[in-house]
Amino acid sequence: DTGVSQNPRHKITKRGQNVTFRCDPISEHNRLYWYRQTLGQGPEFLTYFQNEAQLEKSRLLSDRFSAERPKGSFSTLEIQRTEQGDSAMYLCASSLAPGQGLDGYTFGSGTRLTVV
Amino acid sequence: QQPVQSPQAVILREGEDAVINCSSSKALYSVHWYRQKHGEAPIFLMILLKGGEQKGHDKISASFNEKKQQSSLYLTASQLSYSGTYFCGTGLGGKLTFGQGTILTVHP
Repeated sequence: DTGVSQNPRHKITKRGQNVTFRCDPISEHNRLYWYRQTLGQGPEFLTYFQNEAQLEKSRLLSDRFSAERPKGSFSTLEIQRTEQGDSAMYLCASSLAPGQGLDGYTFGSGTRLTVV
Repeated sequence: QQPVQSPQAVILREGEDAVINCSSSKALYSVHWYRQKHGEAPIFLMILLKGGEQKGHDKISASFNEKKQQSSLYLTASQLSYSGTYFCGTGLGGKLTFGQGTILTVHP
């Protein structure tokens, strides 16, 4: 297994455009998480899935953000009508569900979004 | 509620020791520790579960104090490779809330 893969690595978009990011987790992991990180801060929780079910979405997340994990494997995060404040590193992580392992999260390298 | 890490930054010479603390206003059930180097993904170091156990990983160990709602990460005889930002993550049921990070710099 090659770890958690995220695409694209970088995305520059104009304000108001829609963007979509993809995450391919470790195949054995049933949990998948999306976080956002800005410079000098810790990762901020956005949403997470167990298999194909979205279990929680951050209350701080506006309706412009949506995530899917249609077959319980890869996931996509879409941001509609992007704003400059959306500029950040978007991190995906995967893990086993609690009780199934104690290996923590494996993070991908992230997608850096710049909204101009 | 985001856990609070202290100190915000530490500067060490190779071979020196450091302690990074992570405090929560909520009851702790599990604490994860991660290290992130500039421009890279966070890397998992260790997990501690409710029970006050201490874990070790080479010269890096951690403790978990339920009563104080606090975890501490101990770096012994630091190496240049220990430089990076350390994050604690706390949570229940697998979803983590991360602290703001502690920047550790090790000089030769």
